[in-house]
Amino acid sequence: ELKVEQNPLFLSMQEGKNYTIYCNYSTTSDRLYWYRQDPGKSLESLFVLLSNGAVKQEGRLMASLDTKARLSTLHITAAVHDLSATYFCAVVAEYGNKLVFGAGTILRVKS
Amino acid sequence: NAGVTQTPKFQVLKTGQSMTLQCAQDMNHNSMYWYRQDPGMGLRLIYYSASEGTTDKGEVPNGYNVSRLNKREFSLRLESAAPSQTSVYFCASSDFGEAVGGELFFGEGSRLTVL
Repeated sequence: ELKVEQNPLFLSMQEGKNYTIYCNYSTTSDRLYWYRQDPGKSLESLFVLLSNGAVKQEGRLMASLDTKARLSTLHITAAVHDLSATYFCAVVAEYGNKLVFGAGTILRVKS
Repeated sequence: NAGVTQTPKFQVLKTGQSMTLQCAQDMNHNSMYWYRQDPGMGLRLIYYSASEGTTDKGEVPNGYNVSRLNKREFSLRLESAAPSQTSVYFCASSDFGEAVGGELFFGEGSRLTVL
């Protein structure tokens, strides 16, 4: 059974600092997704990582995937307050038909 | 372009009452899902439907039933609501298997409280 673990679960950081959120998963998968959720809102797709070594960047966020290590990272560069949200990683399981989510990382950027 | 539409957005039930959450998508996707979201636990899959006419259990199916009415609609029913079913419910649809990579598209969520 596929398990997805994120850490940290809560991250409080100062504006301008860098940090990384980690996503580990337990069984083979070749697709990983990152989502953002603002309080009381739905989930917004950030990145789709489709292969080993995939790297995608959007603004101050960069995501990477290492399928051999079963690890994805979401790196935040020079954080700003607007990045405050909950970030989820999710991994495809079982014939590519289901996503299994991590518990989420609550990010608070303090000015 | 509506995407995935869920109703109702909010509902309060008493223990033992029943209700149905409705979901419709207009993206012609084969696959549809129901997730629940609880603090600190991420999203957990309740049921999914890989195609019209099929449904399968997810991680937390107990206490729920689903119906894939047609390709567009996928409903979730609570037959006898319990306080443990207080949660935010998200419906989603996907083009997994229909497009390279594929994505999951979420509705706005339905906040359910069971007293």
